[in-house]
Amino acid sequence: QKEVEQNSGPLSVPEGAIASLNCTYSDRGSQSFFWYRQYSGKSPELIMFIYSNGDKEDGRFTAQLNKASQYVSLLIRDSQPSDSATYLCAVNGRNSNSGYALNFGKGTSLLVTP
Amino acid sequence: DTEVTQTPKHLVMGMTNKKSLKCEQHMGHRAMYWYKQKAKKPPELMFVYSYEKLSINESVPSRFSPECPNSSLLNLHLHALQPEDSALYLCASSQDWGLGNSPLHFGNGTRLTVT
Repeated sequence: QKEVEQNSGPLSVPEGAIASLNCTYSDRGSQSFFWYRQYSGKSPELIMFIYSNGDKEDGRFTAQLNKASQYVSLLIRDSQPSDSATYLCAVNGRNSNSGYALNFGKGTSLLVTP
Repeated sequence: DTEVTQTPKHLVMGMTNKKSLKCEQHMGHRAMYWYKQKAKKPPELMFVYSYEKLSINESVPSRFSPECPNSSLLNLHLHALQPEDSALYLCASSQDWGLGNSPLHFGNGTRLTVT
């Protein structure tokens, strides 16, 4: 089983600050990287995806990928209390059935305090 | 609103019951998935259908039986479940399966309680 590691948190940041969420992965062959936001009791919601090394920005969100270091991160600028949720990192990779599937990290809980 | 629709939202069933979870998507996606998620855990893959064919079965017990009647519909038939099967069941779809490069779009889930 390919590993996707995240700090479970909680990560606490004040409102208006930058939240930095990190994820490492073990499969060097992984090509696709996704960030999902999940509010308590709700389903995961796609926030960002990134395929190439470097940064990808979408509004207040920036995904950063470094394949050499096997590291992907999500930055949230101007954090709002509504950003408080669990953020799941997902990385594609081969699974035990000779197919490909997304491997999810355990998620980082983010708390944005007013 | 999600473009992947799951019904019912909540389901309570006894261990001798037979029930079905339903999922529908109209995004033209060719891959559909069932995931199971327990509290404070990441989603766990159960099944993958690609072009209406079962492509992955993650060694799921036979009391869970998937069905893909057409490219837009995915069902999960439940029979003789155990209390430990209580969880949030998530349906997802993606443009294709292949190398796992397509983002998954999740439905709102069915909260299942087995009594």
